[in-house]
Amino acid sequence: QSALTQPPSASGSPGQSVTISCTGTSSDVGGYNYVSWYQQYPGKAPQLLIYEVNQRPSGVPDRFSGSKSGNTASLTVSGLQAEDEADYFCSSFAGGTNLFFGGGTKLTVL
Amino acid sequence: EGQLVESGGGLVQPGGSLRVSCAASEFTFSTYWMAWVRQTPGKGLEWVASVNQGGSTQYYVDSVKGRFTISRDNAKNSLFLQMNSLRVEDTAIYYCARPGTAYEFDSWGQGTLVTVSS
Repeated sequence: QSALTQPPSASGSPGQSVTISCTGTSSDVGGYNYVSWYQQYPGKAPQLLIYEVNQRPSGVPDRFSGSKSGNTASLTVSGLQAEDEADYFCSSFAGGTNLFFGGGTKLTVL
Repeated sequence: EGQLVESGGGLVQPGGSLRVSCAASEFTFSTYWMAWVRQTPGKGLEWVASVNQGGSTQYYVDSVKGRFTISRDNAKNSLFLQMNSLRVEDTAIYYCARPGTAYEFDSWGQGTLVTVSS
């Protein structure tokens, strides 16, 4: 059981936008602006997509954006491309030494 | 951005020990905190342990406290995780990861599989 809740799957057609949610509590997602998102291809390591809710590391396309409202963070992938088919994980700082991850969402490009 | 390469995973019996290693390159290893994160099909990703730049401060997830020890050798640009009293539920891919400035991990190794089974 993951501390943060993500939908197990999401899908969209090429060119469309898809939003993946990450729901926590006021002790993690809602309490800090330290939400991150990772993309993971099968058999590969996770790669950082978003940090501090909505910041993109250099090299990450601006098609990927993050936001937060209350205890729920969201990752939006705009202009879906076939290469975006992957697993997506959120994480949030939760005070002290606590860092929680979501269970992951498998994004399918139809 | 940095390169991290793990090694040392394998099959071990419950109650046994294993040490996994991570070789870092292409960044100034000694100036970064470092961490281990594990991944299982059932529980997803889980932060396991972190160590500060000099190795003097370590933090652990509650489930491994007293059993796992994170350490580093800055002269050899290497990170280690000594795992004792291993349990079946420790079975996972163990990733070496570099924390960024805001509780994110901005560089990951390819992972090493640890299987605890009799």
